[in-house]
Amino acid sequence: DTGVSQDPRHKITKRGQNVTFRCDPISEHNRLYWYRQTLGQGPEFLTYFQNEAQLEKSRLLSDRFSAERPKGSFSTLEIQRTEQGDSAMYLCASSLARGVGMNTEAFFGQGTRLTVV
Amino acid sequence: AQSVTQPDIHITVSEGASLELRCNYSYGATPYLFWYVQSPGQGLQLLLKYFSGDTLVQGIKGFEAEFKRSQSSFNLRKPSVHWSDAAEYFCAVGPLLRGSNYKLTFGKGTLLTVNP
Repeated sequence: DTGVSQDPRHKITKRGQNVTFRCDPISEHNRLYWYRQTLGQGPEFLTYFQNEAQLEKSRLLSDRFSAERPKGSFSTLEIQRTEQGDSAMYLCASSLARGVGMNTEAFFGQGTRLTVV
Repeated sequence: AQSVTQPDIHITVSEGASLELRCNYSYGATPYLFWYVQSPGQGLQLLLKYFSGDTLVQGIKGFEAEFKRSQSSFNLRKPSVHWSDAAEYFCAVGPLLRGSNYKLTFGKGTLLTVNP
Protein backbone atom coordinates (compact mmCIF):
# COMPACT_ATOMS: atom_id res chain seq x y z
CA ASP A 1 0.00 0.00 0.00
CA THR A 2 1.54 3.26 -1.10
CA GLY A 3 -0.86 5.59 0.68
CA VAL A 4 -3.11 8.22 -0.82
CA SER A 5 -2.02 9.23 -4.30
CA GLN A 6 -2.92 12.47 -6.07
CA ASP A 7 -2.40 13.44 -9.68
CA PRO A 8 -1.14 15.80 -10.94
CA ARG A 9 1.10 17.23 -8.24
CA HIS A 10 1.15 20.62 -9.92
CA LYS A 11 -1.18 22.29 -12.39
CA ILE A 12 -0.92 25.70 -13.98
CA THR A 13 -3.95 26.82 -15.91
CA LYS A 14 -5.30 29.97 -17.47
CA ARG A 15 -8.26 31.68 -15.94
CA GLY A 16 -11.49 30.35 -17.39
CA GLN A 17 -10.17 26.88 -18.18
CA ASN A 18 -11.48 23.70 -16.61
CA VAL A 19 -9.23 21.44 -14.56
CA THR A 20 -9.65 17.97 -13.10
CA PHE A 21 -7.69 16.35 -10.31
CA ARG A 22 -7.59 12.70 -9.37
CA CYS A 23 -7.23 11.02 -6.00
CA ASP A 24 -6.57 7.34 -5.35
CA PRO A 25 -7.24 6.52 -1.70
CA ILE A 26 -5.73 3.73 0.34
CA SER A 27 -7.27 0.64 -1.18
CA GLU A 28 -9.53 -0.58 1.64
CA HIS A 29 -10.64 2.88 2.75
CA ASN A 30 -14.32 3.58 2.19
CA ARG A 31 -14.28 7.28 3.07
CA LEU A 32 -12.65 9.92 0.91
CA TYR A 33 -12.30 13.63 1.60
CA TRP A 34 -11.29 16.72 -0.33
CA TYR A 35 -9.75 19.75 1.39
CA ARG A 36 -8.41 23.03 0.07
CA GLN A 37 -5.43 24.82 1.57
CA THR A 38 -4.54 28.37 0.67
CA LEU A 39 -1.27 30.04 1.54
CA GLY A 40 -0.85 30.63 5.25
CA GLN A 41 -4.01 28.75 6.17
CA GLY A 42 -4.90 25.33 7.40
CA PRO A 43 -6.80 22.95 5.17
CA GLU A 44 -10.52 23.61 4.79
CA PHE A 45 -13.05 20.84 4.26
CA LEU A 46 -14.70 20.74 0.84
CA THR A 47 -16.57 17.47 0.58
CA TYR A 48 -16.54 13.79 1.48
CA PHE A 49 -17.70 10.45 0.16
CA GLN A 50 -18.66 7.22 1.80
CA ASN A 51 -18.10 4.66 -0.92
CA GLU A 52 -19.61 6.28 -4.02
CA ALA A 53 -22.07 8.51 -2.18
CA GLN A 54 -21.21 12.16 -1.68
CA LEU A 55 -22.56 12.79 1.79
CA GLU A 56 -21.54 16.33 2.61
CA LYS A 57 -20.45 19.43 0.74
CA SER A 58 -19.06 22.61 2.24
CA ARG A 59 -20.41 26.02 1.36
CA LEU A 60 -16.90 26.59 -0.03
CA LEU A 61 -17.77 24.24 -2.86
CA SER A 62 -19.34 26.58 -5.36
CA ASP A 63 -21.34 25.46 -8.39
CA ARG A 64 -18.13 25.51 -10.42
CA PHE A 65 -16.78 22.62 -8.35
CA SER A 66 -17.88 19.05 -8.75
CA ALA A 67 -16.54 15.88 -7.20
CA GLU A 68 -17.25 12.28 -8.08
CA ARG A 69 -16.32 8.86 -6.84
CA PRO A 70 -18.06 6.68 -9.39
CA LYS A 71 -17.09 3.22 -8.21
CA GLY A 72 -16.23 3.96 -4.63
CA SER A 73 -12.54 3.84 -5.37
CA PHE A 74 -10.76 6.81 -6.93
CA SER A 75 -12.26 10.28 -6.95
CA THR A 76 -12.06 13.29 -9.23
CA LEU A 77 -12.46 16.95 -8.41
CA GLU A 78 -13.29 19.22 -11.32
CA ILE A 79 -13.20 23.00 -11.30
CA GLN A 80 -14.95 24.71 -14.18
CA ARG A 81 -14.15 28.22 -15.38
CA THR A 82 -11.24 28.58 -13.00
CA GLU A 83 -10.64 31.88 -11.24
CA GLN A 84 -7.49 33.23 -9.67
CA GLY A 85 -9.05 32.70 -6.26
CA ASP A 86 -9.07 28.97 -6.93
CA SER A 87 -5.29 28.90 -6.67
CA ALA A 88 -4.56 26.62 -3.75
CA MET A 89 -3.35 23.20 -2.70
CA TYR A 90 -6.10 20.61 -3.06
CA LEU A 91 -5.65 17.77 -0.60
CA CYS A 92 -7.31 14.40 -0.67
CA ALA A 93 -7.59 12.13 2.35
CA SER A 94 -9.09 8.75 3.07
CA SER A 95 -10.15 6.77 6.10
CA LEU A 96 -11.80 3.48 6.98
CA ALA A 97 -15.15 3.52 8.71
CA ARG A 98 -15.65 0.12 10.30
CA GLY A 99 -18.92 0.91 11.94
CA VAL A 100 -20.84 3.54 13.81
CA GLY A 101 -18.35 5.80 15.52
CA MET A 102 -15.46 3.55 14.59
CA ASN A 103 -13.27 5.36 12.13
CA THR A 104 -9.60 5.33 11.50
CA GLU A 105 -7.86 8.63 11.24
CA ALA A 106 -7.63 10.38 7.88
CA PHE A 107 -4.51 9.79 5.80
CA PHE A 108 -3.63 12.60 3.45
CA GLY A 109 -2.10 12.63 0.01
CA GLN A 110 0.61 15.03 -1.04
CA GLY A 111 -1.86 17.34 -2.72
CA THR A 112 -2.29 19.00 -6.09
CA ARG A 113 -1.07 22.58 -6.23
CA LEU A 114 -3.20 24.63 -8.61
CA THR A 115 -2.05 27.96 -9.97
CA VAL A 116 -4.51 29.98 -12.02
CA VAL A 117 -2.86 32.68 -14.12
CA ALA B 1 -19.40 25.97 15.19
CA GLN B 2 -16.17 24.27 16.03
CA SER B 3 -12.92 26.19 15.74
CA VAL B 4 -9.23 25.73 16.42
CA THR B 5 -6.80 28.43 17.46
CA GLN B 6 -3.06 28.13 17.19
CA PRO B 7 -1.84 31.34 18.82
CA ASP B 8 1.72 31.14 17.53
CA ILE B 9 2.18 31.70 13.82
CA HIS B 10 5.93 31.14 13.89
CA ILE B 11 8.23 29.67 16.53
CA THR B 12 12.00 29.42 16.41
CA VAL B 13 13.92 27.07 18.68
CA SER B 14 17.47 25.83 18.85
CA GLU B 15 18.24 22.24 18.07
CA GLY B 16 18.13 20.22 21.26
CA ALA B 17 15.78 22.62 23.01
CA SER B 18 12.34 21.65 24.18
CA LEU B 19 9.24 22.58 22.22
CA GLU B 20 5.64 23.31 23.02
CA LEU B 21 3.09 24.27 20.37
CA ARG B 22 -0.20 25.58 21.63
CA CYS B 23 -3.66 24.60 20.44
CA ASN B 24 -7.04 25.68 21.79
CA TYR B 25 -10.33 24.46 20.43
CA SER B 26 -13.93 25.43 20.67
CA TYR B 27 -16.43 22.63 20.49
CA GLY B 28 -19.65 21.67 22.17
CA ALA B 29 -18.46 18.32 23.42
CA THR B 30 -15.28 16.32 23.67
CA PRO B 31 -13.92 16.13 20.16
CA TYR B 32 -11.40 14.00 18.41
CA LEU B 33 -8.11 15.96 18.45
CA PHE B 34 -5.20 15.63 16.09
CA TRP B 35 -1.81 17.06 15.34
CA TYR B 36 -0.52 16.91 11.78
CA VAL B 37 2.83 17.99 10.37
CA GLN B 38 3.41 19.34 6.87
CA SER B 39 6.77 19.75 5.20
CA PRO B 40 7.03 22.33 2.37
CA GLY B 41 5.04 21.31 -0.68
CA GLN B 42 3.92 18.09 0.94
CA GLY B 43 0.72 16.66 2.34
CA LEU B 44 -0.09 16.17 5.97
CA GLN B 45 1.32 13.47 8.19
CA LEU B 46 -0.45 12.48 11.37
CA LEU B 47 1.70 12.89 14.48
CA LEU B 48 -0.80 11.81 17.09
CA LYS B 49 -4.46 11.75 17.99
CA TYR B 50 -6.70 11.81 21.03
CA PHE B 51 -10.03 10.04 21.12
CA SER B 52 -10.58 9.17 24.76
CA GLY B 53 -8.85 7.72 27.80
CA ASP B 54 -5.41 8.80 28.92
CA THR B 55 -5.11 12.52 28.33
CA LEU B 56 -1.39 12.30 27.57
CA VAL B 57 -0.92 10.76 24.16
CA GLN B 58 2.29 9.67 22.53
CA GLY B 59 2.92 10.06 18.84
CA ILE B 60 5.57 9.48 16.25
CA LYS B 61 8.97 11.16 16.12
CA GLY B 62 9.07 11.63 19.90
CA PHE B 63 6.08 13.99 20.07
CA GLU B 64 3.44 13.94 22.76
CA ALA B 65 0.34 16.00 23.48
CA GLU B 66 -1.82 16.56 26.51
CA PHE B 67 -5.57 17.06 26.39
CA LYS B 68 -6.80 19.45 29.06
CA ARG B 69 -10.57 19.62 29.04
CA SER B 70 -10.74 22.50 31.53
CA GLN B 71 -8.57 24.66 29.28
CA SER B 72 -9.90 23.34 25.95
CA SER B 73 -6.31 22.78 24.98
CA PHE B 74 -4.29 20.11 23.24
CA ASN B 75 -0.69 21.31 23.28
CA LEU B 76 2.05 19.48 21.43
CA ARG B 77 5.41 18.91 23.08
CA LYS B 78 8.80 17.47 22.32
CA PRO B 79 11.64 17.38 24.86
CA SER B 80 14.47 17.80 22.37
CA VAL B 81 13.97 19.20 18.90
CA HIS B 82 15.91 17.93 15.89
CA TRP B 83 16.67 19.97 12.78
CA SER B 84 14.43 17.64 10.78
CA ASP B 85 11.43 18.78 12.86
CA ALA B 86 11.37 22.08 11.01
CA ALA B 87 7.96 22.14 9.33
CA GLU B 88 4.45 23.49 9.76
CA TYR B 89 2.29 21.97 12.44
CA PHE B 90 -1.48 21.88 12.37
CA CYS B 91 -3.89 21.13 15.17
CA ALA B 92 -7.27 19.79 14.10
CA VAL B 93 -10.57 18.85 15.68
CA GLY B 94 -13.12 16.36 14.45
CA PRO B 95 -16.62 15.70 15.65
CA LEU B 96 -17.10 12.96 18.21
CA LEU B 97 -20.44 11.71 17.06
CA ARG B 98 -21.89 8.33 16.28
CA GLY B 99 -21.01 7.69 12.70
CA SER B 100 -18.61 10.60 12.73
CA ASN B 101 -17.52 11.58 9.27
CA TYR B 102 -14.16 12.83 10.45
CA LYS B 103 -14.67 16.22 8.88
CA LEU B 104 -11.70 18.03 10.33
CA THR B 105 -11.43 21.69 11.28
CA PHE B 106 -7.84 22.85 11.23
CA GLY B 107 -6.03 25.69 12.89
CA LYS B 108 -3.98 28.06 10.78
CA GLY B 109 -0.78 26.30 11.67
CA THR B 110 2.47 27.07 13.46
CA LEU B 111 5.64 27.25 11.43
CA LEU B 112 8.60 25.80 13.32
CA THR B 113 12.12 26.92 12.51
CA VAL B 114 15.02 25.04 14.10
CA ASN B 115 18.36 26.83 14.50
CA PRO B 116 21.54 24.73 14.52
